Amino acid sequence: GAGVSQSPSNKVTEKGKDVELRCDPISGHTALYWYRQSLGQGLEFLIYFQGNSAPDKSGLPSDRFSAERTGGSVSTLTIQRTQQEDSAVYLCASSLRRPADTQYFGPGTRLTVL
Amino acid sequence: GENVEQHPSTLSVQEGDSAVIKCTYSDSASNYFPWYKQELGKGPQLIIDIRSNVGEKKDQRIAVTLNKTAKHFSLHITETQPEDSAVYFCAASSSGTSGTYKYIFGTGTRLKVLA
Repeated sequence: GAGVSQSPSNKVTEKGKDVELRCDPISGHTALYWYRQSLGQGLEFLIYFQGNSAPDKSGLPSDRFSAERTGGSVSTLTIQRTQQEDSAVYLCASSLRRPADTQYFGPGTRLTVL
Repeated sequence: GENVEQHPSTLSVQEGDSAVIKCTYSDSASNYFPWYKQELGKGPQLIIDIRSNVGEKKDQRIAVTLNKTAKHFSLHITETQPEDSAVYFCAASSSGTSGTYKYIFGTGTRLKVLA
């Protein structure tokens, strides 16, 4: 079956603009995660959705970052008033039910803020 | 806060030799320890994982060991091949209180297998 997909694969934007990044998880997976990977760094947890429960937003770095998950499937990560330090690869992952289930990652969206 | 330390940051081995990557975690509640391989331009892919009730797990040329007392776990790759060259990440996971979730990644090890 299809894996996790993300779009766009690359996004270049100007400082101060808003961007939306999309994630399509594996069908049937109820848990969805967003991570940020800066150049040469590890993965930084941003937000976690589990079914219809309130998301765990404990990793969001500022109130400029927000995410939604509509209908328990597709998720959108929105960054408002982008800054140069937001430049990174944004990775989405999904798992069957919970974090300790295997997480399957998408290819990521490379965001460059000029 | 909790963290996961990973060493070394880079590792070069000759083809056929073994490679060992080590991680140390701080959260004693961690109970799930996956390892991911990330190739250039791709997302991380799970290669092996271990849970806290097991001390060692093997899958062909790959093995993971866990020492809960010392809070460290290691990835062992034997008979390395050029296609093993990638960045490897460890992670430690636990279910926090009030439905929060912790899944902390190490900073990665860039493995180069020299032909």
